[in-house]
Amino acid sequence: AQKVTQAQTEISVVEKEDVTLDCVYETRDTTYYLFWYKQPPSGELVFLIRRNSFDEQNEISGRYSWNFQKSTSSFNFTITASQVVDSAVYFCALSEPNAGNNRKLIWGLGTSLAVNP
Amino acid sequence: EPEVTQTPSHQVTQMGQEVILRCVPISNHLYFYWYRQILGQKVEFLVSFYNNEISEKSEIFDDQFSVERPDGSNFTLKIRSTKLEDSAMYFCASSETGGYGYTFGSGTRLTVV
Repeated sequence: AQKVTQAQTEISVVEKEDVTLDCVYETRDTTYYLFWYKQPPSGELVFLIRRNSFDEQNEISGRYSWNFQKSTSSFNFTITASQVVDSAVYFCALSEPNAGNNRKLIWGLGTSLAVNP
Repeated sequence: EPEVTQTPSHQVTQMGQEVILRCVPISNHLYFYWYRQILGQKVEFLVSFYNNEISEKSEIFDDQFSVERPDGSNFTLKIRSTKLEDSAMYFCASSETGGYGYTFGSGTRLTVV
């Protein structure tokens, strides 16, 4: 069965520190997609990144970077020079194929990040 | 940028009442989903919908739940007889390709009292 594990329940850092959020996944599929979403206190789900299983290139977007390692089934997320506005719950998710192409998302439990001034 | 619109943003209902949560997916998207998040917990899949029928449903999606696309634009989730444990944030999502990318609505916070 597909599964997503975010072992860190809560992380607290001081502004400007770097922080890495871990995500480990399990799947028997050879084709899959991995996602990160941010959920700020207002509650909406904000899409951050999608990565497909055939693309192991790491990605950087401003202060955000993602490290995808198929060998360890991990898709970790690093925020460089964290800011108070980064405080949120971050979810890692895996898309699972079912009938046809209609894939649902399997979610991790989320990591609550608090960035303190 | 196209958005998925959910209404209402917050609904309070009495236990045992029926509620309908509404979603307007992105117009050229063909795949639709409902997810639920109980306060402080993870996001859980409820149901996926394609070609006017349910593609998959989770064990949470029992006979009290139903989905409909009544008019080709709205996508609704109905809970027939709400329970206290149905209190949660309900997210609608749509996808053009059925799994490559999803657009989520802002959610409806349902409070059952």
